[in-house]
Amino acid sequence: DAGVIQSPRHEVTEMGQEVTLRCKPISGHDYLFWYRQTMMRGLELLIYFNNNVPIDDSGMPEDRFSAKMPNASFSTLKIQPSEPRDSAVYFCASTPIPGADTQYFGPGTRLTVL
Amino acid sequence: KQEVTQIPAALSVPEGENLVLNCSFTDSAIYNLQWFRQDPGKGLTSLLLIQSSQREQTSGRLNASLDKSSGRSTLYIAASQPGDSATYLCAVGGNAGNMLTFGGGTRLMVKP
Repeated sequence: DAGVIQSPRHEVTEMGQEVTLRCKPISGHDYLFWYRQTMMRGLELLIYFNNNVPIDDSGMPEDRFSAKMPNASFSTLKIQPSEPRDSAVYFCASTPIPGADTQYFGPGTRLTVL
Repeated sequence: KQEVTQIPAALSVPEGENLVLNCSFTDSAIYNLQWFRQDPGKGLTSLLLIQSSQREQTSGRLNASLDKSSGRSTLYIAASQPGDSATYLCAVGGNAGNMLTFGGGTRLMVKP
């Protein structure tokens, strides 16, 4: 298996623009997680899905952030409008059984908002 | 709210040394605890997963222990090698393991 795939790997945009990050989980993994990593706050869980349904989005910073999972093999994290403080590395992770198995992380998308 | 702390934040050791990384957490009602490795510019790789009912896990030169009552975990690395240089992250799992709370990490450098 290719592992968790994220695109793009790097994104540079200007403040106010819409940004869409994409994730393809490992086939057969029913749980998908979006995280954000910054120097100041470390690694934070934003939202997670089970069988394509959002279960907990309490980590989503504000209404400018939204996430969807239209099918088992694809998820998006959208920021609209983007702000400089959104600059971070965004990771997607998946797992078949969160309690018994680890989470498998993608390589991340480094977002820079100018 | 669960808080996870890792000490030290950075560590530099000569090759061959045995070392211990520390992780502490504030809420002992955890489901599991995991140790991850992160290389610069890369994602996280799982090293060890300890269920709340377990005391330790071992994989090769790595051994992780868990003391839930005191809110502590340690990662022991034996005979360190330059290839072990990376950031090591501790993550505590709550809510049936769905919700991971990460520590700030320990940046390890092993010098040849």
